[in-house]
This record gives sequence, structure tokens and C-alpha cells, in this order.
Amino acid sequence: EVQLVQSGAEVKKPGESLKISCKGSGYSFTHYWIGWVRQMPGKGLEWMGIIYPDDSDTRFSPSFQGQVTISADTSISTAYLQWSSLKASDTAMYYCAREVTIFGADVFDIWGQGTMVTVSS
Amino acid sequence: EIVLTQSPGTLSLSPGETATLSCRASQSVSSTYLAWYQQKPGQAPRLLIYGASSRATGIPDRFSGSGSGTDFTLTISRLEPEDFAVYYCQQYGSSQGTFGQGTKLEIK
Repeated sequence: EVQLVQSGAEVKKPGESLKISCKGSGYSFTHYWIGWVRQMPGKGLEWMGIIYPDDSDTRFSPSFQGQVTISADTSISTAYLQWSSLKASDTAMYYCAREVTIFGADVFDIWGQGTMVTVSS
Repeated sequence: EIVLTQSPGTLSLSPGETATLSCRASQSVSSTYLAWYQQKPGQAPRLLIYGASSRATGIPDRFSGSGSGTDFTLTISRLEPEDFAVYYCQQYGSSQGTFGQGTKLEIK
């Protein structure tokens, strides 16, 4: 079964660092882009960025460029989303998703279960 | 960055009726790169439509997509109770993607 399993919920204080993970299984992890999507409480989906694990090519939305780091470790089929200094406004559910190309269309076909990040003093 | 605007924000309909959801882009989007997703409370989104009009695997034919350029539509015929959810359009172009703000389809 193709699946993405994300790390568990996190509660952090402003200024702390954090790295959440997304482990792929059931497919060739190296050869599919993995994207990250933010959903703030009660709000819509926001496309953050994507990474191609094979060569770590990374693309960001302008809104998230410089705010987070996306990385991947192909040896353990895991992608990461990282913050160096969290803010209260980073409180959200974060989803990872596999991007596939179907007849030229790049879409997210498999999603992780989400990781809730709460930042509060 | 391409901005997608969905309307209406909320749509109240009864089971059996037809829902028409709109997604308008701030600039022309290739139909290839326009997708629709469904999200139910407490769940991750699910891919419904890709390439503006092709249904993803396992999606009932009650769901259909259409449109081109800057105007796209998701139509859900014969609404079933499980169809009441939030729907998002998404475009991917120029190495980045954006989502619309979503349309909530609620039971009337």
C-alpha cells in the first residue's frame, strides 16, 4: 500500500526550532516529488513547497521562501519540514503529499495524515 | 503568483440536487494544471479531478470538471450525503502551486 506517515503532534514555544517528518512507503520514494501544505485552524489549504528527494531540488511558494526548510533523506524514505525559530502564527496542521504526473498534470495523489503544530507561550 | 478565487464561499443544497462550484484564476492557467480536491472534517484532502476534467481513480461519475483559461467549474450531480465537504481548486505552474480559498458545501 502506498502511504505517507507523518510524525506526531508537537507543542512548542515561540523561538524554538522544530523538524517534522513524512515517511513514504509502498513506492519508489526517490522518484516522486513530495509537497508540504499548511492549513491554519479553520482556514484553507496553502501550498508551501515541494522537494524531489533524488536530487533535493526544492521549490517554494514566495510566501514560505526563507521561512521554512524542506529536506529529504532517501536512505529512510523520509521528507522533512523544518523551522529554526517558530512563531505563534506557525500554529497549523501541516500535510505532506506525494506529487504525481498524470497525463502532464502535476497533482497530489497521496496525502499524509497531517501533523498538528501548536506554538504557544 | 497566480491567485485562485472560489465562489461561492458556502453553498447550501439538499441531497439529490446539483452543485456548481466556481474557480477563477487571476491569470490564464493551463487546463493541464488545474485540479480539484475534497476535504472532510478531520481528514486530509482527497484528489477528485486533474487536468481540469479528468476524474481521479475511484471518483464517481457524479463529479465532473470543466473550464479553461481563467474560469473552471466543478459540478457534482445527484448530491449524496457524503459529498458535503469543503472543495478546493489548485493550480500548479511555474514551479509553484496555489490553492483557492475553498467552497464549503453544506446540507440545506
